[in-house]
Amino acid sequence: EADIYQTPRYLVIGTGKKITLECSQTMGHDKMYWYQQDPGMELHLIHYSYGVNSTEKGDLSSESTVSRIRTEHFPLTLESARPSHTSQYLCASRTGYGYTFGSGTRLTVV
Amino acid sequence: GENVGLHLPTLSVQEGDNSIINCAYSNSASDYFIWYKQESGKGPQFIIDIRSNMDKRQGQRVTVLLNKTVKHLSLQIAATQPGDSAVYFCADETLAGGTSYGKLTFGQGTILTVHP
Repeated sequence: EADIYQTPRYLVIGTGKKITLECSQTMGHDKMYWYQQDPGMELHLIHYSYGVNSTEKGDLSSESTVSRIRTEHFPLTLESARPSHTSQYLCASRTGYGYTFGSGTRLTVV
Repeated sequence: GENVGLHLPTLSVQEGDNSIINCAYSNSASDYFIWYKQESGKGPQFIIDIRSNMDKRQGQRVTVLLNKTVKHLSLQIAATQPGDSAVYFCADETLAGGTSYGKLTFGQGTILTVHP
């Protein structure tokens, strides 16, 4: 059903580890987004990109970084994971008015 | 900053009833609004959208109403089914430019529970 893919779906990792959350879309969309969502809460925009080599920080401050070297790929990296990074991370892309979301990566840092 | 919020965090209905989920937004420059449904373990799924030049839009079993005067948005679900049980989010965006151009702002979700 989804044309936007996130891996891994679940990740449990120790404090201090470096991790990269993958996001890929096959629709050729220029605009891509990363949202952070705590259980039962609203989504907060942490990064977005309007195309290759374009990345911007979102409304919610995040210690993560992103890159956009290829149109279809928008990975998010945490250089040193901490328990406060435990959350769900959702990737989305859009063309025109419509947004398409991935299924998310649920990250737990222990 | 500007935000979109929901009046009620939970809503329980009987199967077959109509459901109404409300949302208040504060950004007067917002001109595009979307309702999303999010099931457990999944990403948000588009339900219906509306531009600010409209006050009502209908889809299959769903209707969105927009009242720009009081900055209020609602989602009506007709003949609610158990499969409609999920968290519902409203979101807004400014398509005309400005600081929120191209970025959705989400409100707090409403948990809809449909009892058989």
